[in-house]
Amino acid sequence: DVKVTQSSRYLVKRTGEKVFLECVQDMDHENMFWYRQDPGLGLRLIYFSYDVKMKEKGDIPEGYSVSREKKERFSLILESASTNQTSMYLCASSVGGLTTQYFGPGTRLLVL
Amino acid sequence: GIQVEQSPPDLILQEGANSTLRCNFSDSVNNLQWFHQNPWGQLINLFYIPSGTKQNGRLSATTVATERYSLLYISSSQTTDSGVYFCAVAPANSKLTFGKGITLSVRP
Repeated sequence: DVKVTQSSRYLVKRTGEKVFLECVQDMDHENMFWYRQDPGLGLRLIYFSYDVKMKEKGDIPEGYSVSREKKERFSLILESASTNQTSMYLCASSVGGLTTQYFGPGTRLLVL
Repeated sequence: GIQVEQSPPDLILQEGANSTLRCNFSDSVNNLQWFHQNPWGQLINLFYIPSGTKQNGRLSATTVATERYSLLYISSSQTTDSGVYFCAVAPANSKLTFGKGITLSVRP
């Protein structure tokens, strides 16, 4: 059965903190994605990766970085958290470009 | 970039009713997916359907690629169908672009 897990369901951080969100998939998928979801805006792509150590910017990469050292793990990093990064963060993976994406349960991040 | 419009934005149904959710897109696509997000935030893929028709139980979907739209049909709706339905599309070898979603509430 397909499984994508995220390190936390809920997270509260203070402005200026460094924040790590981790995503792990057990399906040997090449592609992994980080989205953020905000009311009225749908899902917007932050970064994606199509292979280990490879990354591509999505639509809204500013203020974020990513790391993919192992195929199964894709980390999203907020170098200095700000209140406008309060959001729901969703990780997804897929076996290729034109295939189904599988999502993790999401992390609700609150930055105070 | 490609534009995705979903309609209606909100839908309220009585349990047992049928519904049709629409997704219009502005350019040719090689990838189209429908997702359901439950009230706890989990997104589940319903269909991968860049063209044609598929059915899975009470749900079915049709994409008419030449006319740039897709329809998701829900028959005999249940309260567990409540949530947000997203359509996401991508042109060839490109990332998915999501619509803003349709919020469905099914009342008992």
